[in-house]
Amino acid sequence: GENVEQHPSTLSVQEGDSAVIKCTYSDSASNYFPWYKQELGKGPQLIIDIRSNVGEKKDQRIAVTLNKTAKHFSLHITETQPEDSAVYFCAASITGNQFYFGTGTSLTVIP
Amino acid sequence: GAGVSQTPSNKVTEKGKYVELRCDPISGHTALYWYRQSLGQGPEFLIYFQGTGAADDSGLPNDRFFAVRPEGSVSTLKIQRTERGDSAVYLCASSWTSGSNEQFFGPGTRLTVL
Repeated sequence: GENVEQHPSTLSVQEGDSAVIKCTYSDSASNYFPWYKQELGKGPQLIIDIRSNVGEKKDQRIAVTLNKTAKHFSLHITETQPEDSAVYFCAASITGNQFYFGTGTSLTVIP
Repeated sequence: GAGVSQTPSNKVTEKGKYVELRCDPISGHTALYWYRQSLGQGPEFLIYFQGTGAADDSGLPNDRFFAVRPEGSVSTLKIQRTERGDSAVYLCASSWTSGSNEQFFGPGTRLTVL
């Protein structure tokens, strides 16, 4: 099955700086890559996603890039704010049903 | 509108007991998914339904786990003879239809087996 690896496991940045989280996947058939934000005690919330026919997607301060050849994708958060502090998960999917998640990145934005 | 809801939010049980976890999907969503999240890990797929039928149950760890969705809306995850290793957060998600990609997650049920 698909294997998704995520780095780093923890990340601390100063408010206003950028944060980058990277993921790799193993199955070239994967074609959908969502990113979720999970706050303590809550379920994961979809923040952005990208499909394999697109190389980059941006939504305000959040962007995702996909390199299909290298099988890796990244989340970029610019102008970080304290409320961005949370655990972020990447995922990959082949069928659009079963999602394979990374192990998560705990992001702390220091005011 | 209302999101995915799950009840109970917390469940503490003793080893060997039977538990049921409930999920109410977003109204109109035909696909429903169950995941399990252990501490410090990402969610792991268990099973998904399209309508009333279980379309893929390949993630269920063993035959102590079973899920139903009799009317194509609410789903119940059932765990028999619970073991301490079953302790985790059980997440439910729903989407408009299977394969539509966007899955919306509920807050989860934290199961603790003593």
